[in-house]
This record gives sequence, structure tokens and C-alpha cells, in this order.
Amino acid sequence: EDKVVQSPLSLVVHEGDTVTLNCSYEVTNFRSLLWYKQEKKAPTFLFMLTSSGIEKKSGRLSSILDKKELFSILNITATQTGDSAVYLCAVAHGQNFVFGPGTRLSVLP
Amino acid sequence: DGGITQSPKYLFRKEGQNVTLSCEQNLNHDAMYWYRQDPGQGLRLIYYSQIVNDFQKGDIAEGYSVSREKKESFPLTVTSAQKNPTAFYLCASSTDHSTVYGYTFGSGTRLTVV
Repeated sequence: EDKVVQSPLSLVVHEGDTVTLNCSYEVTNFRSLLWYKQEKKAPTFLFMLTSSGIEKKSGRLSSILDKKELFSILNITATQTGDSAVYLCAVAHGQNFVFGPGTRLSVLP
Repeated sequence: DGGITQSPKYLFRKEGQNVTLSCEQNLNHDAMYWYRQDPGQGLRLIYYSQIVNDFQKGDIAEGYSVSREKKESFPLTVTSAQKNPTAFYLCASSTDHSTVYGYTFGSGTRLTVV
């Protein structure tokens, strides 16, 4: 059965901390892994990863994929209260995605 | 501006009633999807449609129905057969290269059974 596991499920940090969110997967016909940020409603796209070892960066966020060990991490440095959200990991297989449960990040001032 | 519009944002349903959630997109995307999100769980696929007049069941289709009469529209009906319909419902669309470029999501409808 295809599945995506994220850890931790919940995380509370203070502004300025660095966090690492984990996503591991077991899917057939892997095509890509995507990270989304969901604040109140619609998830917004962060990164798409298809190749191992190539880091994607956007400001204070970065992500990398390991297709041998079947996981990805999302790093956020110098966290801000605006980073508080649920971070979703989704793995594409065939025509659809399998989503993880999400990591709820709370950044305290 | 192109995007996906879901309505209503909040919906209350009495037990035994059918309700229909609207999803409209003006992105000219071929594929559309309905997901359900429950607390502590990932998005679960209810139904999806790759082209007009065709749709496929997802992982949790029981108690739901859809139609795809127009490319722009993919309404979801939550029937009385759905035992636990209270949840957050997200509609998404994509080009036929969905697994490369990902989805565009609507803002969601929160359905509560009262």
C-alpha cells in the first residue's frame, strides 16, 4: 500500500530557531515529491523534487530528496511567526498523489 | 486572474440531507480533483476527472457523487449515505502533466453536519 509518513506531526519553536521537517514514503512508480504550505485554507506550492541530492532553495526554506532512502526534508532557518502553518508532503505516483498527514508548525514570538 | 473558486466557504447540513459543493476553474486545466481533509490526516482523494464527461473514484468515494459536464466545473455532492461528512473539502486542478507541476488548489469548503 502506498503511504507517506511525516514527522513530527506537531512542532512548537521560537522565532529564530531552525526546524527540519521529515517526509518518508513508500510508493510505486515514484515521479516526484512536492511540499506545500497550508495556512488557513488552500495549500500553496513550495517545492517539487524529482532528483536525489539536489537542494532546492527559496529564501529561508530549502528541501532535498533522497530517492535511495526514500525520504525528503524541508528546512526552515531563522523561523518567523509567519511560518506557522501545516506543511504537507505529497508524492506523485502514476496520475495522482499520496499526501502525508502534515506537520503543524507553530512559531512563537 | 486565473484560479479555482470553491463555494460556499462554510456549509452546514442536517443529517439525512444531500449537499452540493461547487468548484469552478478558469485555468483551462483538463484534470480536476476532490480531496477531503480531516484533522491529523493527509488529504484523501474522493473523485477525480481527467476529461469532460469522465471521472474516476478515488480512495474514499463511498457516499459521494460528482459530475463533469463542463471543463470548468466539477461539483461534489455529499449524499446522506456518507456516514461522517464533517470535514474540510479541497478542490484542485492540474494540467495533464499534474505529477510534474503539481496542483492548483481552491480555498476549500468546511462542511459541518448539525
